[in-house]
Amino acid sequence: DTEVTQTPKHLVMGMTNKKSLKCEQHMGHRAMYWYKQKAKKPPELMFVYSYEKLSINESVPSRFSPECPNSSLLNLHLHALQPEDSALYLCASSQEATGGYEQYFGPGTRLTVT
Amino acid sequence: GENVEQHPSTLSVQEGDSAVIKCTYSDSASNYFPWYKQELGKGPQLIIDIRSNVGEKKDQRIAVTLNKTAKHFSLHITETQPEDSAVYFCAAKNTGFQKLVFGTGTRLLVSP
Repeated sequence: DTEVTQTPKHLVMGMTNKKSLKCEQHMGHRAMYWYKQKAKKPPELMFVYSYEKLSINESVPSRFSPECPNSSLLNLHLHALQPEDSALYLCASSQEATGGYEQYFGPGTRLTVT
Repeated sequence: GENVEQHPSTLSVQEGDSAVIKCTYSDSASNYFPWYKQELGKGPQLIIDIRSNVGEKKDQRIAVTLNKTAKHFSLHITETQPEDSAVYFCAAKNTGFQKLVFGTGTRLLVSP
């Protein structure tokens, strides 16, 4: 099983809402990632978790709060977002964070902030 | 930090033609170079990768070449098919670190 699953597929939220994005992998990978992708742009790294610990935060605003409850799950908690946060949010995993390991991407959550 | 430039931004070819996408990286310490294909509504998927100790790698219709001196690497697709139509991203990484840096992407359109 080389699949990364993400829920929900689509999410519309107001600027005062609180919502969460979920990501799951069962490949035994020890690194998990959140990326943000705007239309016609490359994925932009937000967070890296290595062995369930946050190892990289790319200066992401605090209205995005990541969480890694266990080695298979990754959440992204959203609060008080802005319309410019509307984007495709991609989760990925790899065997390790360092090294030349393939990153497996999920299909993404399309987020619209109204 | 690493910066990866990618050209062209769009590429239109006829079915059966070859397609070439080129990338340049800035950090000479980068030593891992994957290529990802992203189809509409999907996440990026690895199609081929190359490490700095290798100059060329081939997998059926896809090949990647690396010139470490010039800090260039390229993706070559031969005998293109309509299903090759997608956005392609190159990327670069120093394997001692955790961050993968993506190029700006190339939209490839293969016309029947």
